[in-house]
Amino acid sequence: SQKIEQNSEALNIQEGKTATLTCNYTNYSPAYLQWYRQDPGRGPVFLLLIRENEKEKRKERLKVTFDTTLKQSLFHITASQPADSATYLCALDMTGYSTLTFGKGTMLLVSP
Amino acid sequence: GAVVSQHPSRVICKSGTSVKIECRSLDFQATTMFWYRQFPKKSLMLMATSNEGSKATYEQGVEKDKFLINHASLTLSTLTVTSAHPEDSSFYICSARGLAGGTQYFGPGTRLTVL
Repeated sequence: SQKIEQNSEALNIQEGKTATLTCNYTNYSPAYLQWYRQDPGRGPVFLLLIRENEKEKRKERLKVTFDTTLKQSLFHITASQPADSATYLCALDMTGYSTLTFGKGTMLLVSP
Repeated sequence: GAVVSQHPSRVICKSGTSVKIECRSLDFQATTMFWYRQFPKKSLMLMATSNEGSKATYEQGVEKDKFLINHASLTLSTLTVTSAHPEDSSFYICSARGLAGGTQYFGPGTRLTVL
C-alpha cells in the first residue's frame, strides 16, 4: 500500500525565511497530489493541487513542485510569517476520484 | 472557493445517546462526501465514503451500525453516532468533492465529547 512520509514532525524557521516541506511516497505516482493546512481544532484547508503531469504550481507565496522520478513533492512558503504557523498535510489521490491518503503532517512554527 | 460547513461545531452528550452531525456543501454540488475522525496529534482517519443516493462505503474496522451515514442530497450528508460511548469522543471532519473529481474541501470539524 502507498506510504507517505513528510520530512519531519516539526520545522522551526524565522520570519521572512522560506519554509520548505517535503512529501515522499513509495509506490505509484498519484494523479493528484494536494497540500492542506490544518490549524489546531479545525478541519484542513485546501491550499494547492498539482497533477501528475505538472512540475510546478504557484499561488501567491506558495509553490509546490512534483517530481515523479524522485516520488517527491516539495512545498515552499516564501517570506514566511508567524501567521503561517500550522500543520501542513500532504495528500495523494491516485486517480482523481479516489479517497485521499494523508501524510502525518509537518508542524511549521515561524518565529518573529 | 468551495465552502463546506458542519453543524454542530461542538457537542457534549451523555453515554448511550445518539448524536447527528450535518455536513453541507454551500456553493457546489458534492457527489461524494467523506467522513473522517482525528485523534489528538494524529492524522485524519477515513471512516466512510458516501455517494449521493447510495449506501456509504465503510473503511475496515468502522462499524456501519454505529456510524450511520446518509447522503440524501447533493449538498447534505449526515453522520449519526448511535449509542455513543466515551471512546467515541473525537474530532469528526467531513469533506466534499464535486462531480469533476479532484480536490476535497473540508468542513471545520465537530468536536464530540461523550461523558
